Amino acid sequence: GENVEQHPSTLSVQEGDSAVIKCTYSDSASNYFPWYKQELGKGPQLIIDIRSNVGEKKDQRIAVTLNKTAKHFSLHITETQPEDSAVYFCAASNPDDKLIFGTGTRLQVFP
Amino acid sequence: DTEVTQTPKHLVMGMTNKKSLKCEQHMGHRAMYWYKQKAKKPPELMFVYSYEKLSINESVPSRFSPECPNSSLLNLHLHALQPEDSALYLCASSQDLGDHSYEQYFGPGTRLTVT
Repeated sequence: GENVEQHPSTLSVQEGDSAVIKCTYSDSASNYFPWYKQELGKGPQLIIDIRSNVGEKKDQRIAVTLNKTAKHFSLHITETQPEDSAVYFCAASNPDDKLIFGTGTRLQVFP
Repeated sequence: DTEVTQTPKHLVMGMTNKKSLKCEQHMGHRAMYWYKQKAKKPPELMFVYSYEKLSINESVPSRFSPECPNSSLLNLHLHALQPEDSALYLCASSQDLGDHSYEQYFGPGTRLTVT
């Protein structure tokens, strides 16, 4: 079955710096890769996603890149703000319709 | 609007109690999901419903019983739970299932404590 690894487990950055979170997946049939942000006491919020027919996608300060050959994808947050502090989960989905989540990255942005 | 609502927000129950968690969405989505999330861990899939029929059961113990009364509602009936079942229970919905891999939207969760 699919296995998703996520690094780093914690990430601390200064406000205004960039943050990068990386994930690798094992199942070459996976074709959809969402990223979720989970704030304390809340449910995961879908912030950006990418499909296997696209290499990069950007939405304001957030971008995701996908390398199908290497089976890895990354989340890039530029100009970080304190409100970006949260736990971020990557996930991979194959035609079985199951989302397999990474282990999460706790991002702290210091003012 | 991508809102999924869940009630109650918090629930404390004894091991002999019977309780239910409720989830609702009004996005016209035809697939609904239950996940369990332990502290500092990712969500784990429990059940998937498609068009009100159970599509996936991830070998969940029978003390958890899902129900989908209509396309907007999803319940999770709880009976004879164990303390290790304490967790955040998340509901999610997506437009459909299938090769397209539709976006899943999560509710805020129910924080369950079993005493």
